[in-house]
Amino acid sequence: QVTLKESGPVLVKPTETLTLTCTVSGFSLSNARMGVSWIRQPPGKALEWLAHIFSNDEKSYSTSLKSRLTISKDTSKSQVVLTMTNMDPVDTATYYCARMAVAATPWFDPWGQGTLVTVSS
Amino acid sequence: SSELTQDPAVSVALGQTVRITCQGDSLRSYYASWYQQKPGQAPVLVIYGKNNRPSGIPDRFSGSSSGNTASLTITGAQAEDEADYYCNSRDSSGNHHVVFGGGTKLTVL
Repeated sequence: QVTLKESGPVLVKPTETLTLTCTVSGFSLSNARMGVSWIRQPPGKALEWLAHIFSNDEKSYSTSLKSRLTISKDTSKSQVVLTMTNMDPVDTATYYCARMAVAATPWFDPWGQGTLVTVSS
Repeated sequence: SSELTQDPAVSVALGQTVRITCQGDSLRSYYASWYQQKPGQAPVLVIYGKNNRPSGIPDRFSGSSSGNTASLTITGAQAEDEADYYCNSRDSSGNHHVVFGGGTKLTVL
């Protein structure tokens, strides 16, 4: 059974750096046909793709957030880490990690349960 | 353009057929994938590729595409299908970026 689980702080202050960890099980981060993505959803709003990382360590970032994001992985620990700098209240959202199939149109399956991050002083 | 446009809300009578659409330039080159999200839950993949359903997704869900529009069709909608539905595709700019639609709230009457 493939599962992903997000962990990290529930509350961060403006200007701080957010670090989220996605721990996966049931598949290997070295699987060439799979990657892991981070996707967020502000309360009551739509999904927004943030970044993904492939087995060969290739990375891709949302154009609008690229300057603030870093994605990395530790295959031995089955973990993918996302950092987002200079957090702002508009970054308040549920952050999901999801397994991504490497395809012409990538798809995400399954998703983690998500972790709500609130940005407030 | 890297945007995908969905109708904000759609309704369907119980047992009837409903089509949820997703429009965008990238859909001329790439298929859409579709996700169902119920309140308080993570999204669930329901359609990927040309018209593929993951294991466990009922066959009343199907996908299609024409021009710049992708569609998710639910044939014989059930009460449990009431949810938000999101499409996603690859950005048409030639990179590996991903885009999501704004979501459609489906109400089953």
